[in-house]
Amino acid sequence: RKEVEQDPGPFNVPEGATVAFNCTYSNSASQSFFWYRQDCRKEPKLLMSVYSSGNEDGRFTAQLNRASQYISLLIRDSKLSDSATYLCAVILSGGSYIPTFGRGTSLIVHP
Amino acid sequence: NAGVTQTPKFRVLKTGQSMTLLCAQDMNHEYMYWYRQDPGMGLRLIHYSVGEGTTAKGEVPDGYNVSRLKKQNFLLGLESAAPSQTSVYFCASSTTAWQGFIQYFGAGTRLSVL
Repeated sequence: RKEVEQDPGPFNVPEGATVAFNCTYSNSASQSFFWYRQDCRKEPKLLMSVYSSGNEDGRFTAQLNRASQYISLLIRDSKLSDSATYLCAVILSGGSYIPTFGRGTSLIVHP
Repeated sequence: NAGVTQTPKFRVLKTGQSMTLLCAQDMNHEYMYWYRQDPGMGLRLIHYSVGEGTTAKGEVPDGYNVSRLKKQNFLLGLESAAPSQTSVYFCASSTTAWQGFIQYFGAGTRLSVL
């Protein structure tokens, strides 16, 4: 089983829709969690870190479920510009602090 | 605001040729990384460095070597390129633990090996 797993999608949604992605991780010792956004043929960029209490940034909400070992990203009121691939990253505690990335989830927002 | 700069942006090699990819960061980060990204495979770690003069193997190190002689630079070398090394290569640097381990990526190098 891969350490960090994501549904590759694509998730194809209309503008204004709410969409959610999950990312599961296999190691319960994971301590830090992130969502990165990657546009086509561009580099990944940090979207948000995921805290134990969850966090929100405008239309984006990230949550952590330690019991079930997954993180989620919720996007409300989707925009055309949200079309991208969303990568999750996980860092283990007590290790070398090297993140492990999922393969990414593709989102396509259409008019 | 340069951040992480990779050179070159594009390169075409013939099988057996060698080349070096350069990564430079101006954020005084200790950690630096080299990834490759292939369709459907996500980001795979090749090598990384936790400080000047130190390097370590990642998930897919075979066929690559690295050096970190200066804190701001991380070089990735291909001694004898193979078609399987055709990929997009990303360099990244990251903040420390107390700063949240946030990674900053370069724009990537698109390498084709014929």
